[in-house]
Amino acid sequence: AQSVTQLDSQVPVFEEAPVELRCNYSSSVSVYLFWYVQYPNQGLQLLLKYLSGSTLVKGINGFEAEFNKSQTSFHLRKPSVHISDTAEYFCAVLIGIQGAQKLVFGQGTRLTINP
Amino acid sequence: DGGITQSPKYLFRKEGQNVTLSCEQNLNHDAMYWYRQDPGQGLRLIYYSQIVNDFQKGDIAEGYSVSREKKESFPLTVTSAQKNPTAFYLCASSVTGSTDTQYFGPGTRLTVL
Repeated sequence: AQSVTQLDSQVPVFEEAPVELRCNYSSSVSVYLFWYVQYPNQGLQLLLKYLSGSTLVKGINGFEAEFNKSQTSFHLRKPSVHISDTAEYFCAVLIGIQGAQKLVFGQGTRLTINP
Repeated sequence: DGGITQSPKYLFRKEGQNVTLSCEQNLNHDAMYWYRQDPGQGLRLIYYSQIVNDFQKGDIAEGYSVSREKKESFPLTVTSAQKNPTAFYLCASSVTGSTDTQYFGPGTRLTVL
């Protein structure tokens, strides 16, 4: 069964420091990967996605992620974080079921930016 | 503006009552989804629908029911059979296709008193 593991439940970082949120997946078929961000008491917003092509994917708000097939990873990075990046981040893999698509989510990583 | 709306934002229910959560989209998407979010567990799929008058169970459908009578609407009923209904419920939609992005609504927080 396909699954997603986010290795850190919480990541505290100082403002303007770099950050990496780790995500590993297990999948035996074609891999489509997503990162979503959730601000408190809100829905999810797409940060970026990998479908094919370049393994380095750039998203909104200065985030990027690198697909690494050999390590089955899709880590999210930002070179310099802001207070406004405080949120929960979810990695997800898309799988096909009976002609439809299904997102399987990791447990989430809570990013806290300290001044 | 196109988007997904969910109502109400907060909902309180007494044990033994059924409640219905609303989800409406004006994105002209064919597929719609309901997820449940619990702290530390990510999101889990409850039901999904690819087309009007058709829907399928997700991973945790027990105690829930849905209908899809209109393309833009996908209401979720939390029945009294759901043992632990207190959670944050998120609705999503996408253009039917293998890699289409799912867009999420703002969510409904359900609390059972």
